[in-house]
Amino acid sequence: DAGVIQSPRHEVTEMGQEVTLRCKPISGHDYLFWYRQTMMRGLELLIYFNNNVPIDDSGMPEDRFSAKMPNASFSTLKIQPSEPRDSAVYFCASSPAGGVFSGANVLTFGAGSRLTVL
Amino acid sequence: GQNIDQPTEMTATEGAIVQINCTYQTSGFNGLFWYQQHAGEAPTFLSYNVLDGLEEKGRFSSFLSRSKGYSYLLLKELQMKDSASYLCAVTSTDKLIFGTGTRLQVFP
Repeated sequence: DAGVIQSPRHEVTEMGQEVTLRCKPISGHDYLFWYRQTMMRGLELLIYFNNNVPIDDSGMPEDRFSAKMPNASFSTLKIQPSEPRDSAVYFCASSPAGGVFSGANVLTFGAGSRLTVL
Repeated sequence: GQNIDQPTEMTATEGAIVQINCTYQTSGFNGLFWYQQHAGEAPTFLSYNVLDGLEEKGRFSSFLSRSKGYSYLLLKELQMKDSASYLCAVTSTDKLIFGTGTRLQVFP
């Protein structure tokens, strides 16, 4: 398996522009998570899906952020309009199943999308 | 709510032993993970503890005390390639919540 695939790897945009980040989870994984990482706040959970259904979006910072998972192999995280404080690395991660993490039910991360908003 | 505390930075010498501590408060606890993250890369899984005690995996060991809300990651025979951030993460129902990580620098 190719692992969790994210695109783009790097994005530089101007304040006010729309940004769309994409993720392809590992085939067969039921859970998909979006995290944001900054130096100040570390790795923050934004939203997660189970079987394509959003379960908890309490970490989404504002209405400017939205996430969708139209099918089991694709998810998007959209920021509209973007602001400089959104600059961060956005990670997508997936896990097999069960809803309860274990040594065999491990979260696997994609390589991340580094976003810079000028 | 959840709260996870780790030291921000640590330094150590090649060949030495280092212990990275993590304290946590969370609801719905179902285990604690340690992840390693090299600069500019994704976090990768190191270890998982759900029961009290020590789990050993090669040069790395992880300890958990559920009653104390405490864990540590022990790295032995340090190598230069161990320079990375080490993230403590606790389960909370279906979620995995991360601490801010400990940046470890290994010097020759």
